[in-house]
Amino acid sequence: DTGVSQDPRHKITKRGQNVTFRCDPISEHNRLYWYRQTLGQGPEFLTYFQNEAQLEKSRLLSNRFSAERPKGSFSTLEIQRTEQGDSAMYLCASSQPSSGGAGTQYFGPGTRLTVL
Amino acid sequence: DAKTTQPNSMESNEEEPVHLPCNHSTISGTDYIHWYRQLPSQGPEYVIHGLTSNVNNRMASLAIAEDRKSSTLILHRATLRDAAVYYCILRAGANNLFFGTGTRLTVIP
Repeated sequence: DTGVSQDPRHKITKRGQNVTFRCDPISEHNRLYWYRQTLGQGPEFLTYFQNEAQLEKSRLLSNRFSAERPKGSFSTLEIQRTEQGDSAMYLCASSQPSSGGAGTQYFGPGTRLTVL
Repeated sequence: DAKTTQPNSMESNEEEPVHLPCNHSTISGTDYIHWYRQLPSQGPEYVIHGLTSNVNNRMASLAIAEDRKSSTLILHRATLRDAAVYYCILRAGANNLFFGTGTRLTVIP
């Protein structure tokens, strides 16, 4: 399978703990995106990388959240001191460079986080 | 990104065509119209996109109004596997997608 993969698929943690999620994009894709989705809502953008550079961060990405893509390949999203409001599906997507708005994003299956 | 308006939900009988509407009256000349769908417990999946002309692919057709202020995603023969939330998204730049709440399609056997 050469699609976007995410690990773990499910994570249950206690409030106050730190969690880290991993995303492996499609190998030739240089752009990588993180989104968060809560129940009944569409995905909301968190942050975006082009190669190893983090080019855009949403206001949703509080200072407890940090994302990295150290070698321009896989990416990690860490949440420190988790809160119950962090419970959501965290989605990763990747894409090739494109001109204008024609590019397509390919999504992974997501990591479902439950904070108790 | 310009906003889109979609019905919250629609129903279709299995093996019948489905027309999913999307209004985007504030669309700009450089906005592409993208459709993604999200099956239960999965990440979103690209369906189709277009700029001005109607588009067809193996999954669906996209009909774009002449003034580009609305578009319709057409599933030619709905199957139970097409039951999903369908998102209509306008995209000018190459960065993030703004999803909205989409249309939940129910396919009735």
